[in-house]
Amino acid sequence: KNEVEQSPQNLTAQEGEFITINCSYSVGISALHWLQQHPGGGIVSLFMLSSGKKKHGRLIATINIQEKHSSLHITASHPRDSAVYICAAYNFGNEKLTFGTGTRLTIIP
Amino acid sequence: DGGITQSPKYLFRKEGQNVTLSCEQNLNHDAMYWYRQDPGQGLRLIYYSQIVNDFQKGDIAEGYSVSREKKESFPLTVTSAQKNPTAFYLCASSFVRGPLHFGNGTRLTVT
Repeated sequence: KNEVEQSPQNLTAQEGEFITINCSYSVGISALHWLQQHPGGGIVSLFMLSSGKKKHGRLIATINIQEKHSSLHITASHPRDSAVYICAAYNFGNEKLTFGTGTRLTIIP
Repeated sequence: DGGITQSPKYLFRKEGQNVTLSCEQNLNHDAMYWYRQDPGQGLRLIYYSQIVNDFQKGDIAEGYSVSREKKESFPLTVTSAQKNPTAFYLCASSFVRGPLHFGNGTRLTVT
């Protein structure tokens, strides 16, 4: 079992739908990253959070430390949101970042 | 604009040859990282450096070498000892314990 599990692995939705991507982790963490990887391969950091909720535009990230679970939500999804979304658990103690295998999101116009 | 530059974007080499991937950042970040990405797997850490002239092995350092002679630069050499070098390589940087900034990656194909 991976230390960081994402679900679903693949998600296809219609433009405008509300999207939720889940991340569960079994390691102790200090913070959780959400990353976006576009088809060309480059990765953009979306959020780094250690508690509660963060919002940026149409993206919202939440984390529940007790349940070891984080979610990334996209409101009013758009085809340009199509990408692979990766969560990564960061342990400040050993400076280790453990990555999930990603969720491939496709938004159909 | 500040950012991380990886070059080249695509690299082709014959088996048995060493190859060096470039990574330069102008974000004044202390920490730099090299990751390898293979299909169906999460990113795996090859090497990282938190200060000039110092670096540590990651989870899959065998067959790779790095140097950190300048704060801005963290080149990765894929040696002939790396058994399966064909992969997508990503460089990242950050302030210590800060969010990561990634380059656009180098796709290495060894035949």
